Amino acid sequence: KAGVTQTPRYLIKTRGQQVTLSCSPISGHRSVSWYQQTPGQGLQFLFEYFSETQRNKGNFPGRFSGRQFSNSRSEMNVSTLELGDSALYLCASGGQENTEAFFGQGTRLTVV
Amino acid sequence: QKEVEQNSGPLSVPEGAIASLNCTYSDRVSQSFFWYRQYSGKSPELIMSIYSNGDKEDGRFTAQLNKASQYVSLLIRDSQPSDSATYLCAVRKLTGGGNKLTFGTGTQLKVEL
Repeated sequence: KAGVTQTPRYLIKTRGQQVTLSCSPISGHRSVSWYQQTPGQGLQFLFEYFSETQRNKGNFPGRFSGRQFSNSRSEMNVSTLELGDSALYLCASGGQENTEAFFGQGTRLTVV
Repeated sequence: QKEVEQNSGPLSVPEGAIASLNCTYSDRVSQSFFWYRQYSGKSPELIMSIYSNGDKEDGRFTAQLNKASQYVSLLIRDSQPSDSATYLCAVRKLTGGGNKLTFGTGTQLKVEL
């Protein structure tokens, strides 16, 4: 059974640019959640998509957005990048509510 | 007050000892609890989940939940150097939260030879 796949693994972007990250969940899982992890703030929830609908949203500015496709793959977009957006971005794959969540390997984003 | 609190450590234990990691949470509607292990530079790996009061054992790991005290812990028996990592406690609400997890800042565990 394939795990959670995130691409790309590493990214270097310049301030002001935008970036799109991708996440393919475990086969059969319809929930994809996105998290940002930084040394100062820890793991913070960005948003969750379930069956192509955003089900939950964290406290991040509108520059952070996402979507989910019919095959459950999800993308996360960050526009007008800031230095503070440098972080490890993780997606978590889950089934219905109240099930366990499994993380992908993450995308390390560096903004210069 | 943070929703999920953990002592950042480092917690140092000798090889073969029991490591005890603790987590408290503030929201009483939290109903599902998880422990993740994260090695440096890697992503979190789920090691235990617990949903009801009491103990849950899986190999060398035991999760303990006390909802009245809003407290969840993880015991690692026969600690090995490979257990050295950061352990993250996560909680999820029963309703309205979907699969949203709220994490503590993690406890760094060091198992010394």
